[in-house]
Amino acid sequence: EAGVTQSPTHLIKTRGQQATLRCSPISGHTSVYWYQQALGLGLQFLLWYDEGEERNRGNFPPRFSGRQFPNYSSELNVNALELEDSALYLCASSLNNGGGPQHFGDGTRLSIL
Amino acid sequence: GESVGLHLPTLSVQEGDNSIINCAYSNSASDYFIWYKQESGKGPQFIIDIRSNMDKRQGQRVTVLLNKTVKHLSLQIAATQPGDSAVYFCAEIPVSAGYSSASKIIFGSGTRLSIRP
Repeated sequence: EAGVTQSPTHLIKTRGQQATLRCSPISGHTSVYWYQQALGLGLQFLLWYDEGEERNRGNFPPRFSGRQFPNYSSELNVNALELEDSALYLCASSLNNGGGPQHFGDGTRLSIL
Repeated sequence: GESVGLHLPTLSVQEGDNSIINCAYSNSASDYFIWYKQESGKGPQFIIDIRSNMDKRQGQRVTVLLNKTVKHLSLQIAATQPGDSAVYFCAEIPVSAGYSSASKIIFGSGTRLSIRP
């Protein structure tokens, strides 16, 4: 069974640009979660999608947004990039919300120059 | 590889010994707990989980203990191997909170496990 896959592995942008990160969940998982892991910090919850809808978001500005497609894959968009957006962005999926563990991909390393 | 965290507590263990990693959780309403392992340059990997109606659960070479009285969780790794080197962190979820419970997950900051040959 394929795990959660994320692309690209690394992404380098400059301030003010826009970034798009992609995630494919484990087959059969309908919930997708996005997290930011900045260096020296723990995982910070960004967004949760289930059945194509945004269900909850963390304490991040509106320039962090995303969507979930009919095949349950998801993308995270970050507009007007700032230096402090440099981090590892992790996607996770779960079989059903809260009922089982979230399984993570290996993340996208976003670097802002 | 890249560091998961720069100022994590570190546990140094002799290869072959048992490791015990501790976690104090914060939310009394949490009733589902997970241990993750994160190797350098990779995403967190699920190790084992436990629900609040249990005190102990065993997996392959790993055991999780839950003490709800003092809100404490521990992960025991038997016969620690070099491949166990990673950052380990716990996660707590208030499952009984309903539909949005998984998005209320709280992650611990982690402990770095270092293996001495």
